[in-house]
Amino acid sequence: AQSVAQPEDQVNVAEGNPLTVKCTYSVSGNPYLFWYVQYPNRGLQFLLKYITGDNLVKGSYGFEAEFNKSQTSFHLKKPSALVSDSALYFCAVRDMSSLEGSSASKIIFGSGTRLSIRP
Amino acid sequence: DGGITQSPKYLFRKEGQNVTLSCEQNLNHDAMYWYRQDPGQGLRLIYYSQIVNDFQKGDIAEGYSVSREKKESFPLTVTSAQKNPTAFYLCASSPTTPSAHNSPLHFGNGTRLTVT
Repeated sequence: AQSVAQPEDQVNVAEGNPLTVKCTYSVSGNPYLFWYVQYPNRGLQFLLKYITGDNLVKGSYGFEAEFNKSQTSFHLKKPSALVSDSALYFCAVRDMSSLEGSSASKIIFGSGTRLSIRP
Repeated sequence: DGGITQSPKYLFRKEGQNVTLSCEQNLNHDAMYWYRQDPGQGLRLIYYSQIVNDFQKGDIAEGYSVSREKKESFPLTVTSAQKNPTAFYLCASSPTTPSAHNSPLHFGNGTRLTVT
């Protein structure tokens, strides 16, 4: 079964420092990976995705993610954190095994990592 | 602007009552999804629908029901059989074109259901 893990419940970073939010995955076949951000009492917003190609993917709000096939990881990064980056971050993988002839496959989410940026 | 609308934002019910959560989208997406979010557990899939008049159970479908009579609408009913219904419920949609594997989900802003 395909799965995704976020090993850290919380990450604390000082404003201006680089940040990393970790994600590892387990898939059969090529991975389709996503990062989302959630602000309090709101839905999830798409940040970036990896499908194929360059291992460093750039997304919204200055975020990027590094795909590492040998380590089965897709860590989210930002060179200089802002207080406004404080939110809940989810890594997700598309479950291609659920296709059954359709492209409306399921997306499986990690448990989330709360990012806190202190001024 | 295109998007997904969930209503109401907050919902309170007594135990034993069924309650229906609304989800409407104007993105012209074929696929729609319902997720449940609990603290520390991420998102868990309740039901999803690929096309009108068709839907499939997700990982935690027990105690829930859905309908998909229109492309734009995918209401979720939380029945009295759901043992722990208090949660934050999120509706999402995505296209089902051949290239849709790389399409992210679009989410509504959720409904927070409290059952006492």
